[in-house]
Amino acid sequence: DQQVKQNSPSLSVQEGRISILNCDYTNSMFDYFLWYKKYPAEGPTFLISISSIKDKNEDGRFTVFLNKSAKHLSLHIVPSQPGDSAVYFCAASANQGGKLIFGQGTELSVKP
Amino acid sequence: NAGVTQTPKFRILKIGQSMTLQCAQDMNHNYMYWYRQDPGMGLKLIYYSVGAGITDKGEVPNGYNVSRSTTEDFPLRLELAAPSQTSVYFCASSTALGYEQYFGPGTRLTVT
Repeated sequence: DQQVKQNSPSLSVQEGRISILNCDYTNSMFDYFLWYKKYPAEGPTFLISISSIKDKNEDGRFTVFLNKSAKHLSLHIVPSQPGDSAVYFCAASANQGGKLIFGQGTELSVKP
Repeated sequence: NAGVTQTPKFRILKIGQSMTLQCAQDMNHNYMYWYRQDPGMGLKLIYYSVGAGITDKGEVPNGYNVSRSTTEDFPLRLELAAPSQTSVYFCASSTALGYEQYFGPGTRLTVT
């Protein structure tokens, strides 16, 4: 039972354009969502998060949008840069104290 | 401040052998975690700890054991290694459950 799903295994974007990574979840108890970025041969690093009381959180070039009714969140990267090429994982937790549940990841490739 | 460190980086085991994956953090985090990542999959929680002396099972604990005698260290023990345990193992720590976690660089384990 995959509670957090990233249905696109890969995404290719031109440098300077917008990258949109999507994530769907099934558990309505999830109330905190995070995005992690992972380079090859490294551990994931925290990127941005959002609480369920918000529908948007922005940090520089990165914005996360949360649509609770659709149980969907997305990460927007504007403008995309070649250094953004990595695997992006979304994760969710319930009751702001539950364990993190990770999606399968989306590999983003930003081409110069 | 080294963050989360893991040793070894790579290891090849024969079926039936045992080994301990080491994890240490210097951020004084109470919460520590072990995950495994299989190709094309997200991170699956193996075990976690909420403090020294307290551990609990995650999603995929079978074939593993952990201990937490100090705040800093959280070793993962594999007994009777099996090919199904071939994976990349990540250790992580956090200040609270369900929030931002800091990951180590990973240990790539192959069981043949």
